[in-house]
Amino acid sequence: QKEVEQNSGPLSVPEGAIASLNCTYSDRGSQSFFWYRQYSGKSPELIMFIYSNGDKEDGRFTAQLNKASQYVSLLIRDSQPSDSATYLCAVNGFQKLVFGTGTRLLVSP
Amino acid sequence: GAGVSQTPSNKVTEKGKYVELRCDPISGHTALYWYRQSLGQGPEFLIYFQGTGAADDSGLPNDRFFAVRPEGSVSTLKIQRTERGDSAVYLCASSLDGGSDTQYFGPGTRLTVL
Repeated sequence: QKEVEQNSGPLSVPEGAIASLNCTYSDRGSQSFFWYRQYSGKSPELIMFIYSNGDKEDGRFTAQLNKASQYVSLLIRDSQPSDSATYLCAVNGFQKLVFGTGTRLLVSP
Repeated sequence: GAGVSQTPSNKVTEKGKYVELRCDPISGHTALYWYRQSLGQGPEFLIYFQGTGAADDSGLPNDRFFAVRPEGSVSTLKIQRTERGDSAVYLCASSLDGGSDTQYFGPGTRLTVL
């Protein structure tokens, strides 16, 4: 079992819709969780981080964490074509990040 | 302020050659990380420096890979006797103090071994 799992997609949503990206992790001791966005040919760019159970909102983005279920999600409201990218879920494990393979999001105009 | 910088942006080499990849972290960041990303995969951890010392090098695939950070700032990843399987994007990240701090990534070096 992979340490961090994501559906590779692509996840296709129309412009203006809510995109929901999901991630599960195996290490129950994980304390911090990150979502990075990666455009093709570019490096990962931090979108959100979350440490506590519940929701954390930042603009159009909401991160959700459920440690009991070992589940992290990212909601993108009012999706825009410029949001089309690969979204990487990362879990901090002993000071290094463990990444999932990423979910490719396609937002159609 | 300036972000993480990496040089070169692209490196093409022949099998068996030696390469060095450089990373300049965000000023004031004590923690520096190297990751490797292959096509279609997430970044994979290689090594973590806290200051000048390698705090965790468990991700280095074999002894052909070595990294240094002699003055606690710039780091160099060194790969000896390169193999075609070493072809990937090598990413450097830095964070303020390590631990669970947010890591900020550089633009990466795309290494191609022919």
